Amino acid sequence: GNSVTQMEGPVTLSEEAFLTINCTYTATGYPSLFWYVQYPGEGLQLLLKATKADDKGSNKGFEATYRKETTSFHLEKGSVQVSDSAVYFCALIAMNTGFQKLVFGTGTRLLVSP
Amino acid sequence: NAGVMQNPRHLVRRRGQEARLRCSPMKGHSHVYWYRQLPEEGLKFMVYLQKENIIDESGMPKERFSAEFPKEGPSILRIQQVVRGDSAAYFCASSLGAGQETQYFGPGTRLLVL
Repeated sequence: GNSVTQMEGPVTLSEEAFLTINCTYTATGYPSLFWYVQYPGEGLQLLLKATKADDKGSNKGFEATYRKETTSFHLEKGSVQVSDSAVYFCALIAMNTGFQKLVFGTGTRLLVSP
Repeated sequence: NAGVMQNPRHLVRRRGQEARLRCSPMKGHSHVYWYRQLPEEGLKFMVYLQKENIIDESGMPKERFSAEFPKEGPSILRIQQVVRGDSAAYFCASSLGAGQETQYFGPGTRLLVL
């Protein structure tokens, strides 16, 4: 079946540190891949996405590259800020479902201290 | 362009009562999805609807849960005879079309069953 595996959190960093949150997936065919961010008490916001192999999604300093050979979509940011503290969800939409049912990882909580 | 609206934002019910959760999709969107987020877990797909039709409800519990998206008005997720295990955040998302269209999420309804 289709699934997403994320690194467990929390990830604790100091401001301006480099961030990597690992995400790997299992899917039939060529899924679209997403990163969503959830700030405390809020809903999910789309952070970035990639729809085919070698695509790089980027937004607000975050980026992730769709790696088909390693079935990965790791999230990176060169210099995190306190305001980046949130829960980050990796997700996919698999083509074989016939419609866009998002499959989420369990989320990784990021805590950035000043 | 207003985003996805959900109400209420917080809902408290006693065991055995009914819970009704409402979702108004983004303007022009005719595809609605409901997801449930249990404490400390990722989001799990529940149901996908288009106007007046349930397309896929493979993630819905077999009993007590139902969903609708009438021709006029918001989508409704209805939970009858709630139990403590129904306590969760329920998120609605909408998209312009099917396929690989991006889903936009509402702020969620946090249901607490006492």
